[in-house]
Amino acid sequence: SQQGEEDPQALSIQEGENATMNCSYKTSINNLQWYRQNSGRGLVHLILIRSNEREKHSGRLRVTLDTSKKSSSLLITASRAADTASYFCATGNYGQNFVFGPGTRLSVLP
Amino acid sequence: GAGVSQSPSNKVTEKGKDVELRCDPISGHTALYWYRQSLGQGLEFLIYFQGNSAPDKSGLPSDRFSAERTGGSVSTLTIQRTQQEDSAVYLCASSFRRGGRENEQFFGPGTRLTVL
Repeated sequence: SQQGEEDPQALSIQEGENATMNCSYKTSINNLQWYRQNSGRGLVHLILIRSNEREKHSGRLRVTLDTSKKSSSLLITASRAADTASYFCATGNYGQNFVFGPGTRLSVLP
Repeated sequence: GAGVSQSPSNKVTEKGKDVELRCDPISGHTALYWYRQSLGQGLEFLIYFQGNSAPDKSGLPSDRFSAERTGGSVSTLTIQRTQQEDSAVYLCASSFRRGGRENEQFFGPGTRLTVL
C-alpha cells in the first residue's frame, strides 16, 4: 500500500490564490520531500523537511510536518499559471528507498 | 554540472522482445533509483542501489525485470520478454548521502517505453 497519500487528488484555483496540498503517511519517517512534475517526465525537487523539523520555507512554498499526525502540507502562495503541475510527496528513511504518493494535480487558471 | 541522463528517451518495441534502459547518474552520487510511472499515475518504486550495498529489489514486479549498476555509476534496467502492461515512463534518480542522511533525488527525463 502507498506510504504517502496526497490530498486532494486534483485542485483547481485562480491565479493569485493560495494552493494547499496535504500528504499523509503510515509509518515513522526520517524525512519527507515534495516534488513537482510538469510534463509527465522528470520530477523536480521542491523541498525536504526532516522529522525533527516542523516548518520550512522556500520562496512561495511553505511546508509543514506534523509527525504526531503523520501528515505534511505544502502551501503555494500567490499561485501562478506556471505552478500548474502534479505535486508528489515522498517519504524516506535512512538507507531505504523513497515511497511516493499518487500526487495532486494542480491547475492554476489565469 | 550535468544532471541525470537517460537513454533512449523513447522506445517502441514489440511484445516479447527484450529492452535495455540506461541511466547515467550525477557524478559522485552514491544512490540510484529506478521508478515506473504509468499515464496519470504516481511513481512506482522498482529498485534502489546504494554504494556497494546489495540493491533493494523489492519493487521489481516480476523476474522479467532486472537492473545492474556498474562501477557504482551507470545503471541499466533490463526488461525481458516485454508485455503490453510494461508500457510506462521509466524514471531514474540519483542522490548523495551525506553523514548517513538521505538528500534530495535528482531525476532524469525518463524513458517512455511503448510495447505494441
